[in-house]
Amino acid sequence: EIVLTQSPGTVSLSPGERATLSCRASQSVSSSFLAWYQQKPGQAPRLLIYGASSRATDIPDRFSGSGSGTDFTLTISRLEPEDFAVYYCQQYGISPRTFGQGTKVEIK
Amino acid sequence: HLQLQESGPGLVKPSETLSLTCTVSGDSISSSTYHWGWIRQPPGKGLEWIGSIFYSGSAYYNPSLKSRLTISVDTSKNQFSLKLTSVTAADTAVYYCTRYELGIRGGFDYWGQGTLATVSS
Repeated sequence: EIVLTQSPGTVSLSPGERATLSCRASQSVSSSFLAWYQQKPGQAPRLLIYGASSRATDIPDRFSGSGSGTDFTLTISRLEPEDFAVYYCQQYGISPRTFGQGTKVEIK
Repeated sequence: HLQLQESGPGLVKPSETLSLTCTVSGDSISSSTYHWGWIRQPPGKGLEWIGSIFYSGSAYYNPSLKSRLTISVDTSKNQFSLKLTSVTAADTAVYYCTRYELGIRGGFDYWGQGTLATVSS
């Protein structure tokens, strides 16, 4: 199975700052079948990005995804108070579908 | 507006079977576009894909759970279900039901609110 490693584990930032989250795969993710999710405490995850770089429905344009092969990035251009959460990457190119361990974006 | 709702017992004894059902409203589970799946999250930990099913009954399982897992679909009730046998404390988790489509748009785009299943005697 494909192992996804996210870094950093936790990042401390202030509202208005830029967040850059990394996701590295143990083997190439075919056709950029990679997604990003946001999860807040007590809530189900929310799909942000699919296909490595396409925003899901109703996702603000401050969220962007990039990358291919084994290296992917989620960027939040200017953090809003509601963006402080845990973010997961997930690949769906090869079964089983796997998730990274998550990156927590916390308020500095 | 699509909604998914998990239901099932919150407490299961070790070695017994965990049974959960997801009821889909706002769309037909018989859509040829979408697959329906289960994901779980142990308390304070990350996400694990359990398995998925198509309306035809074709099911796909995580190899780590395959020997204990059955996922089924009931199109007449617009529901799909999970049965996990021989549970242990390691199966304690919030269980989510989800939807996805194949191909590039294959992220899990709709989720239930999740149901906590605790394995304890």
